[in-house]
Amino acid sequence: GAVVSQHPSRVICKSGTSVKIECRSLDFQATTMFWYRQFPKQSLMLMATSNEGSKATYEQGVEKDKFLINHASLTLSTLTVTSAHPEDSSFYICSARDTRYGLAGQSSYNEQFFGPGTRLTVL
Amino acid sequence: GEDVEQSLFLSVREGDSSVINCTYTDSSSTYLYWYKQEPGAGLQLLTYIFSNMDMKQDQRLTVLLNKKDKHLSLRIADTQTGDSAIYFCAEKESSASKIIFGSGTRLSIRP
Repeated sequence: GAVVSQHPSRVICKSGTSVKIECRSLDFQATTMFWYRQFPKQSLMLMATSNEGSKATYEQGVEKDKFLINHASLTLSTLTVTSAHPEDSSFYICSARDTRYGLAGQSSYNEQFFGPGTRLTVL
Repeated sequence: GEDVEQSLFLSVREGDSSVINCTYTDSSSTYLYWYKQEPGAGLQLLTYIFSNMDMKQDQRLTVLLNKKDKHLSLRIADTQTGDSAIYFCAEKESSASKIIFGSGTRLSIRP
């Protein structure tokens, strides 16, 4: 099956610093990647949809200047948490959409593959 | 907007069957999924069902869909300790790329 990796798996940083999280599709190309945030004992909250070569689409309530997304290639999307604060501490999960599944304008059942997540702790 | 709801916790004895229930509001849902998340890990797609199906069985897993009541369930037969995890119900429309997740049900196994 398709594999998605995230790096780092765990990061601890000081308040005010910026942290970059990478999401890679290892054996397939992904024109679209999704970034989720998961608080303890809560569901996944979609933060943004990352499209290769264009600007990301952010969900309502997500600050695009705080959570910078870059999707410069078909296998890599990055999420940068700028000027991180303790309330940004969370589990960040990405998923990647395999371009092989589904025709243009359509979608299929299993087109998204999830990464293992990145645990961010801001002190 | 779309909403997916699940109970937060379920505890079953090892060897018994587990049944995790889910309700959703979007009548346009085309795909309904069950994902498993083990501690500290990402999501693993367990199984899925198309909205035009009533039931799907895959080894120990049975998915039942009542489209009229917008109710989805996942039955795990002969529950094992390795089944301890959070199970997420999710739905997606055919024309959408966004998957809507439920809150997750934490399944714990008693000896």
